[in-house]
Amino acid sequence: ELKVEQNPLFLSMQEGKNYTIYCNYSTTSDRLYWYRQDPGKSLESLFVLLSNGAVKQEGRLMASLDTKARLSTLHITAAVHDLSATYFCAVVVSGGSNYKLTFGKGTLLTVNP
Amino acid sequence: NAGVMQNPRHLVRRRGQEARLRCSPMKGHSHVYWYRQLPEEGLKFMVYLQKENIIDESGMPKERFSAEFPKEGPSILRIQQVVRGDSAAYFCASSPLISNTEAFFGQGTRLTVV
Repeated sequence: ELKVEQNPLFLSMQEGKNYTIYCNYSTTSDRLYWYRQDPGKSLESLFVLLSNGAVKQEGRLMASLDTKARLSTLHITAAVHDLSATYFCAVVVSGGSNYKLTFGKGTLLTVNP
Repeated sequence: NAGVMQNPRHLVRRRGQEARLRCSPMKGHSHVYWYRQLPEEGLKFMVYLQKENIIDESGMPKERFSAEFPKEGPSILRIQQVVRGDSAAYFCASSPLISNTEAFFGQGTRLTVV
């Protein structure tokens, strides 16, 4: 059974600081997603990572994937308050169905002024 | 283009009642997925449906839960005789094609069983 672990689960940081959220998974994967969820809202897709070494950046967020280590990171640069949200990684098992995502528990990020 | 629409947004049921959750996929999408998010947990896959067909229900509890996606109208997730442990956020997602890299999620229905 695929297991997806995120850490930290809670992250409180100051504006302007950098930090990284980690996502480990237990079996080989075809693709990995990062989502953002604001309280009471839907999940917003941030990144889809498809291959080893993939790196994608959008604004202050950068995601990378190391399939050999079964590890993805979401790096936050110079955090701002608007980034406060819960961030999930989700994985599709290699050879598995594209629709069956296995999610981590999420990282609740709070950016303080 | 409206996104995935779920209703109601919040639903309160007493133990033993039935809960019906509705999901209207994005226009042009014919694949619907339901996920459940328990408090302080990640989302867990429940069921995948196409119009009039259940494709994969491997994540559905064996009893009391059922889902449908009729030819006309929204997809329905039905929970009979609800118990407190059913309290959760239920998310629906839709996509146009199985091979599409992205499914779009609705805002969820928060079910509270009292």
